[in-house]
Amino acid sequence: QVQLQESGPGLVKPSQTLSLTCSVSGGSISSGGYYWTWIRQHPGKGLEWIGYIYYSGSTYYNPSLKSRVTISVDTSKNQFSLKLSSVTAADTAVYYCARHDPYGDEPDHWGQGTLVTVSS
Amino acid sequence: QLVLTQSPSASASLGASVKLTCTLSSGHSNYAIAWHQQQPEKGPRYLMKLHSDGSHSKGDGIPDRFSGSSSGAERYLTISSLQSEDEADYYCQTWGTGFWVFGGGTKLTVL
Repeated sequence: QVQLQESGPGLVKPSQTLSLTCSVSGGSISSGGYYWTWIRQHPGKGLEWIGYIYYSGSTYYNPSLKSRVTISVDTSKNQFSLKLSSVTAADTAVYYCARHDPYGDEPDHWGQGTLVTVSS
Repeated sequence: QLVLTQSPSASASLGASVKLTCTLSSGHSNYAIAWHQQQPEKGPRYLMKLHSDGSHSKGDGIPDRFSGSSSGAERYLTISSLQSEDEADYYCQTWGTGFWVFGGGTKLTVL
């Protein structure tokens, strides 16, 4: 059973870079065909896609965040990461990682989420 | 631009059935979607992937009370024999090369 777990600082200062890691267990991040994805949810709001990295290394980002987002993979640690630069209070949200199978019928797997607050 | 439209709220009585709708924007009626459930104070939980022909594949442990169907640009999630724990937000979501899109979510109240 694939499991994902987010980790990283819960408090980030304005203008700094938010960095989160998603650790994957029960499956290899190198196995083909999945979108390794970051999503966030502002307090009391709906879900917002941040971006994903394909197993080939290709990355795709939400156009509204593209200039500030980097998603990368560390296959040696079976992890993928999110960096969001120049954060403001508007980036305060619960951040989720997920694995998505875009071409087959394997179920999506979500992490439990981690709250990141941007405040001085 | 692909947009998913959901009604903001729905309600049904305990033990009854409810059908939630997700509508794909014009020109995108062939897209598959996924349904996700988010119970209060919890993270999202994958329910199923639903294709344009109505075929669907559910996640592990998702009860038979949850089913999906399709008609044109509409994607449906039907929950039968409603239980109190079904009170949650339900999001539809689709994807393509270079994008993911979420609907605004439907808040289901079990009366």
